[in-house]
Amino acid sequence: DTGVSQDPRHKITKRGQNVTFRCDPISEHNRLYWYRQTLGQGPEFLTYFQNEAQLEKSRLLSDRFSAERPKGSFSTLEIQRTEQGDSAMYLCASSSGILAFFGQGTRLTVV
Amino acid sequence: GESVGLHLPTLSVQEGDNSIINCAYSNSASDYFIWYKQESGKGPQFIIDIRSNMDKRQGQRVTVLLNKTVKHLSLQIAATQPGDSAVYFCAEDIGGFKTIFGAGTRLFVKA
Repeated sequence: DTGVSQDPRHKITKRGQNVTFRCDPISEHNRLYWYRQTLGQGPEFLTYFQNEAQLEKSRLLSDRFSAERPKGSFSTLEIQRTEQGDSAMYLCASSSGILAFFGQGTRLTVV
Repeated sequence: GESVGLHLPTLSVQEGDNSIINCAYSNSASDYFIWYKQESGKGPQFIIDIRSNMDKRQGQRVTVLLNKTVKHLSLQIAATQPGDSAVYFCAEDIGGFKTIFGAGTRLFVKA
């Protein structure tokens, strides 16, 4: 499978715990994006990498959120001290141009 | 801020009929638009795209129309099939390779 891969697909965590998600983009795609999607809404942009450089962060990305792409390949998104409002689908996408291709997402439930 | 919205949150069509999903966008500077299909529990899947220098683009059973005068985008699906049931998002690239999504239209196909 050469598409965007995300792990885990589902995560249930208790409020206050830290969680980390991983995204493996399509090989040789230099751009990688994180989006968050809540029920009934479209994906909301969180952050964007070009190679290993994080070029833009949305105001949605609070201080509890951090994303890395250390070698310009896979990326991680960490949420510290999770809150119930963090419950959502976290989508990763990658591109080599304008068109972004999405992974299947990680569904986070904070209880 | 920039926004992409949809006129109808839900559309129900009979199998075999044509479907038309509409979308309004607000950023007149956007020059690239994409339609994505999202099935339950999956990430958005690319359907068709169009650049602002075009009014119409056709794919297999799908056509996208762009009216820049009124900032309106539509997706036409010919001979709608049960497998077309999903949520459809229009999205625009607002520059900097960042894609902004609308809230989506859920398409139900009745057999």
